[in-house]
Amino acid sequence: AQKVTQAQTEISVVEKEDVTLDCVYETRDTTYYLFWYKQPPSGELVFLIRRNSFDEQNEISGRYSWNFQKSTSSFNFTITASQVVDSAVYFCALSERDNYGQNFVFGPGTRLSVLP
Amino acid sequence: EADIYQTPRYLVIGTGKKITLECSQTMGHDKMYWYQQDPGMELHLIHYSYGVNSTEKGDLSSESTVSRIRTEHFPLTLESARPSHTSQYLCASSEGWDSPYSPLHFGNGTRLTVT
Repeated sequence: AQKVTQAQTEISVVEKEDVTLDCVYETRDTTYYLFWYKQPPSGELVFLIRRNSFDEQNEISGRYSWNFQKSTSSFNFTITASQVVDSAVYFCALSERDNYGQNFVFGPGTRLSVLP
Repeated sequence: EADIYQTPRYLVIGTGKKITLECSQTMGHDKMYWYQQDPGMELHLIHYSYGVNSTEKGDLSSESTVSRIRTEHFPLTLESARPSHTSQYLCASSEGWDSPYSPLHFGNGTRLTVT
């Protein structure tokens, strides 16, 4: 069965610090997809990035970067020079193909607080 | 820009009332979902649909029901609201069948308070 673990329940950092959010997943499939979502205090879930299981290239987008390592089943998310606006709950998710398309599994989320 | 719409955004209602939370998407997505979430906490899948006339219960038992008469519309109904139903309800959609790479697209959510 698929499973997504985000061991860090809450993280607090001071503005301009770098912070890494951990995500570890379990799956038996060789083809799967990983996602990160951000949920700010307003409550909506914002899609940040997706990665398929065949693409282990790390990705950088501005202050955000993602490190995908199949050997450790991890898909970690780093925010460089954090800002107060980064304060949110971040969810990691795993998607596999089932008979009807996709089956999503979300991690429990990590609450990030960036203090001024 | 939002391609999936939920109404109302906030709802405060008394115990025993019947309510329907609306969800519509304009992307032509086959698969739609309802999640229940206490603010900032885990997401719990309560219902999903593969397409028109298809509805399935999710991982979390819920007293709500859903219908999928049109591709774009996936309303959730509570026949008799109770304080334990107080939560945020998030609707989502994905391309489904041929696009396992597709992310979930979420609406802004409905924050329900039952007094």
